[in-house]
Amino acid sequence: GIQVEQSPPDLILQEGANSTLRCNFSDSVNNLQWFHQNPWGQLINLFYIPSGTKQNGRLSATTVATERYSLLYISSSQTTDSGVYFCAVGDGRGETSGSRLTFGEGTQLTVNP
Amino acid sequence: NAGVMQNPRHLVRRRGQEARLRCSPMKGHSHVYWYRQLPEEGLKFMVYLQKENIIDESGMPKERFSAEFPKEGPSILRIQQVVRGDSAAYFCASSPYRQGGGYTFGSGTRLTVV
Repeated sequence: GIQVEQSPPDLILQEGANSTLRCNFSDSVNNLQWFHQNPWGQLINLFYIPSGTKQNGRLSATTVATERYSLLYISSSQTTDSGVYFCAVGDGRGETSGSRLTFGEGTQLTVNP
Repeated sequence: NAGVMQNPRHLVRRRGQEARLRCSPMKGHSHVYWYRQLPEEGLKFMVYLQKENIIDESGMPKERFSAEFPKEGPSILRIQQVVRGDSAAYFCASSPYRQGGGYTFGSGTRLTVV
């Protein structure tokens, strides 16, 4: 199956700092998503980004499918950004969205005030 | 749009009892997925269902675990004769039929086996 590696495993920032989280995957994918799990355990979908670049406020993501990696950028970090960031990939075929996602082990982000 | 609804939020079972976890997908979503998260770990795929069909159950333990998504009503993840090792957070997600949509996760069910 597809292997997903995320780096760094842990990251500690001061409020206001910028950061880049990386996700490497071992095979071709047609589904890549970034999630944030907050300290209460809720999983929030940040981006559906099998290729290209997207931005949403202070967050942006870029996936270079041909080189099998994706990057999540967090700018001007806030304490509410703390939590675990997961990258998940899938290789479902066809026009439907359905496919199992394989999750990385996550990056634990702590933003201190 | 109420999002993905899971219940119960917390479930305590004694060893040997049965656990039933429920998941109602987002309106308009026809795919349902179950994932398990052990403490301090990532999410592991268990099963992918569409209405009345199991599409991929390659992540389900061979014994004691089953899942269904009936024509009417929520998807059910059933764990028979629970053991301490089943203690985990169980998350359900749903997605739309067409490509281009991400998963939406429910808030999860935290199962504790005592």
